[in-house]
Amino acid sequence: DAGITQSPRHKVTETGTPVTLRCHQTENHRYMYWYRQDPGHGLRLIHYSYGVKDTDKGEVSDGYSVSRSKTEDFLLTLESATSSQTSVYFCAISPPGQGLSGELFFGEGSRLTVL
Amino acid sequence: GQNIDQPTEMTATEGAIVQINCTYQTSGFNGLFWYQQHAGEAPTFLSYNVLDGLEEKGRFSSFLSRSKGYSYLLLKELQMKDSASYLCAVRDQSNYQLIWGAGTKLIIKP
Repeated sequence: DAGITQSPRHKVTETGTPVTLRCHQTENHRYMYWYRQDPGHGLRLIHYSYGVKDTDKGEVSDGYSVSRSKTEDFLLTLESATSSQTSVYFCAISPPGQGLSGELFFGEGSRLTVL
Repeated sequence: GQNIDQPTEMTATEGAIVQINCTYQTSGFNGLFWYQQHAGEAPTFLSYNVLDGLEEKGRFSSFLSRSKGYSYLLLKELQMKDSASYLCAVRDQSNYQLIWGAGTKLIIKP
């Protein structure tokens, strides 16, 4: 199994509070991604990274920011959480040689509830 | 526009064969992926097709027709553990990002 872990796995927070989700990989892969998954929707890309300090927006980036100061860590921050951001968040990595969005290895997911 | 369609739910019998279809419209195509996702777990990669035809991997096969914008995942000798959602995703040629279908929930009955 790919070495990818997410923390926290579960979080309940209140509207307006900041939240940071962490993704840690031990594979030294270049590409890392943050997705959200909601019932009735496909996975939706929030942000992705193709190297340290190199990040870009996905299709649903509003209200989210990311940082990647080390190869192994990719942080997703909700500056001021809203109820619409209640979701399951998945981090993913992909090995080199397949280009962006090649075969993805996902973390276990972080379930966020915003009250 | 870009769109992926797959059935919401399917039911099949243990030991049987099931085919899960996926149709897509994209501005540019750079490969189609199938993932399996058990309830409460992360998706896991099953297959990748970039050329037309059938790719076989054990009990699972995936087919692609680029001209028709169509793929299917074929599962043979169904087992109870195959009960899961199956996600179809297409990689867009313009930005290499994945467009995901909402998934097909497959229920296996004894």
